[in-house]
Amino acid sequence: QKEVEQDPGPLSVPEGAIVSLNCTYSNSAFQYFMWYRQYSRKGPELLMYTYSSGNKEDGRFTAQVDKSSKYISLFIRDSQPSDSATYLCAMSSGGGADGLTFGKGTHLIIQP
Amino acid sequence: GAVVSQHPSRVICKSGTSVKIECRSLDFQATTMFWYRQFPKQSLMLMATSNEGSKATYEQGVEKDKFLINHASLTLSTLTVTSAHPEDSSFYICSASPRDIQGNQPQHFGDGTRLSIL
Repeated sequence: QKEVEQDPGPLSVPEGAIVSLNCTYSNSAFQYFMWYRQYSRKGPELLMYTYSSGNKEDGRFTAQVDKSSKYISLFIRDSQPSDSATYLCAMSSGGGADGLTFGKGTHLIIQP
Repeated sequence: GAVVSQHPSRVICKSGTSVKIECRSLDFQATTMFWYRQFPKQSLMLMATSNEGSKATYEQGVEKDKFLINHASLTLSTLTVTSAHPEDSSFYICSASPRDIQGNQPQHFGDGTRLSIL
């Protein structure tokens, strides 16, 4: 069993839809959870950074963490074609001081 | 803020060549930088943790004599792929997080270096 599971997609939705992306993990030591967006041939761009369980909202993005279920989610409201990218979940036990464990990434396509 | 610059973005070279990749934090200091590798359609895999002024820590299965890491200052880490072979062809990405006593700052990534060994 991999440490972090993420459906690679592709996930195709119409413009304006609410997008739901998620990851499951097995290591209960993970305390910090991140979502990155990666465009083709570019490095990952940080979208959300959360600690422990709970919700965090930033503009059109909402991150949820449920440590009891070892399940994290990213919601994108009012999706735009420019949101089309690969979304990577990542996690660590020690925040930025530790190497991150990544999911495979979900390829998201927003249809105009 | 929190910009990480990586250079070069693309390298194509012959088998047996050594290649150096630079990673710089442009607007912050980082005592720790990280090197990842990403194969097509795969997730980023941590290769090593680069510590300023001390030896790097390598993940299991990563050859330290092949992937030399130097972290000479609080804003620069280098990865040298020595005697590169075609199987070393990959996308190499560095990251860094702003220096923080508690280590709670997230990691920011460079744009990666695509290495192709012929």
